[in-house]
Amino acid sequence: SAVISQKPSRDICQRGTSLTIQCQVDSQVTMMFWYRQQPGQSLTLIATANQGSEATYESGFVIDKFPISRPNLTFSTLTVSNMSPEDSSIYLCSVAGGLATNEKLFFGSGTQLSVL
Amino acid sequence: GENVEQHPSTLSVQEGDSAVIKCTYSDSASNYFPWYKQELGKGPQLIIDIRSNVGEKKDQRIAVTLNKTAKHFSLHITETQPEDSAVYFCAEGQFYFGTGTSLTVIP
Repeated sequence: SAVISQKPSRDICQRGTSLTIQCQVDSQVTMMFWYRQQPGQSLTLIATANQGSEATYESGFVIDKFPISRPNLTFSTLTVSNMSPEDSSIYLCSVAGGLATNEKLFFGSGTQLSVL
Repeated sequence: GENVEQHPSTLSVQEGDSAVIKCTYSDSASNYFPWYKQELGKGPQLIIDIRSNVGEKKDQRIAVTLNKTAKHFSLHITETQPEDSAVYFCAEGQFYFGTGTSLTVIP
């Protein structure tokens, strides 16, 4: 299993500002993902963070709103841009197994974001 | 693969009793079905998974059954303990999650 450190664990932000969330893994992984979990709801995949290329976004999510970086096989960032109260949610970093193709997902502890 | 229904949304059981959570999916080509446990303030944790080439898998007090014909799978927790209290999510593949079941085990 992978150990995932996600920062910050929580933040309260003002409308119109941006927040960058960091995800650090203790081992090299091929697949990294970012999910959103709105209060009391299920998880929705935002995008797959690809090392060395642009992230792959799911329907309803765009790069201008959620820019993602993946500079190496152990680190990724997600930025929530120009925030509004509707962006209040938990954001989760996830990785799949190791360097080989693996379906098992491991999650960070999440970033609880509140936008005023 | 986007339509994963999960029932019930909330479940309360007495300590020592069994708990069963059910999920249905729509994509008959799906072949991987994990279950996650999420405790308050934490990310989901994989607790058991099953692939389509088997009908049942057990790990101590936890078991998962899969019926590919009917396109549903279930999580069974036996001899429940208070520490089993959490939100449980089923998933179809890596990306499509059920709506969650809040399980409360009453001491």
